[in-house]
Amino acid sequence: QKEVEQNSGPLSVPEGAIASLNCTYSDRVSQSFFWYRQYSGKSPELIMSIYSNGDKEDGRFTAQLNKASQYVSLLIRDSQPSDSATYLCAVRFGGTSYGKLTFGQGTILTVHP
Amino acid sequence: KAGVTQTPRYLIKTRGQQVTLSCSPISGHRSVSWYQQTPGQGLQFLFEYFSETQRNKGNFPGRFSGRQFSNSRSEMNVSTLELGDSALYLCASSLGLGDIQYFGAGTRLSVL
Repeated sequence: QKEVEQNSGPLSVPEGAIASLNCTYSDRVSQSFFWYRQYSGKSPELIMSIYSNGDKEDGRFTAQLNKASQYVSLLIRDSQPSDSATYLCAVRFGGTSYGKLTFGQGTILTVHP
Repeated sequence: KAGVTQTPRYLIKTRGQQVTLSCSPISGHRSVSWYQQTPGQGLQFLFEYFSETQRNKGNFPGRFSGRQFSNSRSEMNVSTLELGDSALYLCASSLGLGDIQYFGAGTRLSVL
């Protein structure tokens, strides 16, 4: 069983809509959660980090974490065509993982005009 | 402040050869992690260095190795290249272990 799971999509939303990206992780001691965005042919860039249960908002992006349900999500409000990319969920598990990030397979998002 | 710098950006090698990739972290960052990205397996952790010591290693064969220098720059080496080693190799730097990781542009390796 993979440790971090994402719906691979593709997820297609119209411009101006809310895009909802989901991620679940296995039952291990988990510390930190990250969302990265990766444009085709480029490297991942950090969008959000979240460490405690609840919501964290940054501009049009909101990350939601529920450790009891082992679930983290990313909402993108007022989606723009420039948001079209692959979104990667990453989890830093506890124990001896140190800084290691475990990534999901990524969700491809397409925002159409 | 300059970002994470990886060199070279592109490499073409043949099976059986070896290759060395370089990563210069963001100034002040002391931790460097390496990841392999392929369409089939996604992003997979290779290893992590902090203060010139390997702190963590992923599930890759011994052909994959790395090191970190006193200025925090890091190199990774792949010996006896196989076709399956074709991938995007990404380096990420962070202030310390457990801090946010910032990725470089990557080195795209093609093994023929």
